[in-house]
Amino acid sequence: EVLLVQSGGGLVEPGGSLRLSCAASGFTFDDHAMHWVRQAPGKGLEWVSGISWNSGSIGYADSVKGRFTISRDNAKNSLYLQMNSLRAEDTALYYCAKVRLRHSSSWYFDYWGQGSLVTVSS
Amino acid sequence: DIQMTQSPSTLSASVGDRVTITCRASQSISSWLAWYQQKPGKAPNLLIYKASSLQSGVPSRFSGSGSGTGFTFTISSLQPDDFATYYCQQYDSYPLTFGGGTQVEIK
Repeated sequence: EVLLVQSGGGLVEPGGSLRLSCAASGFTFDDHAMHWVRQAPGKGLEWVSGISWNSGSIGYADSVKGRFTISRDNAKNSLYLQMNSLRAEDTALYYCAKVRLRHSSSWYFDYWGQGSLVTVSS
Repeated sequence: DIQMTQSPSTLSASVGDRVTITCRASQSISSWLAWYQQKPGKAPNLLIYKASSLQSGVPSRFSGSGSGTGFTFTISSLQPDDFATYYCQQYDSYPLTFGGGTQVEIK
């Protein structure tokens, strides 16, 4: 069974930092690209960042570029999102998501984590 | 960036109805389009990929069509479990973008 278990959300003040983690199991983690998608309260889905299976290709939404860093540790079957200089508009439920195909650049997602709530407020 | 325009934003329908949602891309994305269903408090669930391919385990009443800039998602006979919000997503190029969502409500 494929599982993506997230941790690391919470309340942080504007300008602060937070690191999200996503622990994967049930599939060959280092064969698949992984992404982060967020959803502000009551709003739609917004892609945040993605990383290829071997970390050779990384992308960011303009809204987080220069502030967020995606990484992965294939030895630990884990995906991370380091979030710095957080703003109120970063408040959202953050999902990690698995790309369906192995070694693929077709970035659509067949499994999602349970979500990590990040609240940026003073 | 490729903009994805989804319509309608809200749809009221009855059990058994045929439901159609459209998604328009601001430029051609070939067939690189996925559709997801999301229920309140849950993560999205993949229904359709490559515009018309049904994800394993998804009921055949769900279907998708289109290519280039115009796409359609159809539920042939709406079931009680289908009341949810549906999103399209293009994966032609970075940044990946989603449509604004269509909430399917009980009429």
